[in-house]
Amino acid sequence: DGGITQSPKYLFRKEGQNVTLSCEQNLNHDAMYWYRQDPGQGLRLIYYSQIVNDFQKGDIAEGYSVSREKKESFPLTVTSAQKNPTAFYLCASHDDRVSNQPQHFGDGTRLSIL
Amino acid sequence: GQQVMQIPQYQHVQEGEDFTTYCNSSTTLSNIQWYKQRPGGHPVFLIQLVKSGEVKKQKRLTFQFGEAKKNSSLHITATQTTDVGTYFCAASSNTGKLIFGQGTTLQVKP
Repeated sequence: DGGITQSPKYLFRKEGQNVTLSCEQNLNHDAMYWYRQDPGQGLRLIYYSQIVNDFQKGDIAEGYSVSREKKESFPLTVTSAQKNPTAFYLCASHDDRVSNQPQHFGDGTRLSIL
Repeated sequence: GQQVMQIPQYQHVQEGEDFTTYCNSSTTLSNIQWYKQRPGGHPVFLIQLVKSGEVKKQKRLTFQFGEAKKNSSLHITATQTTDVGTYFCAASSNTGKLIFGQGTTLQVKP
């Protein structure tokens, strides 16, 4: 089955700690995205990547970092500079070779502060 | 930057009542996509509208794209408890990103 796998499902961060959220897709999509969702809120774009070895900041990139060394993988690191990291993090991908394609989402990672 | 406003933020209905959520933009949109997120789940694509004045139906769900391509609506006829969740509209920006509305959370009382 093709899809997007995010891990872990739940993650706890200690003060001053960096944590990395995994996102893997086997849909052969070039474009991948990271969103943050707070309770009762919409999706806010953190970072996106349209091709391997290239990525751009979204609307709320401060305190986060990403890499795109492989087409299939787009990990997100929540750094200690992100003072309010508790949220639901969603990874998505889509086929941007064809216009107006929908985004496919992973099951998400819930990050909390210890 | 481009924004998509969605209202209402919350809606509580009795099972069997109808429900509508609205999406508005100050700029002309190339398309509008609709997603549903069940409680505790992730957004799932429902449909895409591209043409001016387009209307599409999926069983009890009716999606409309305005004539000026600046607004859209999702209407659910005779809601059921399985309709519970948050409905998002999203529009493609000129850089290929999706701009999401804030979402409308639907609660259905049995």
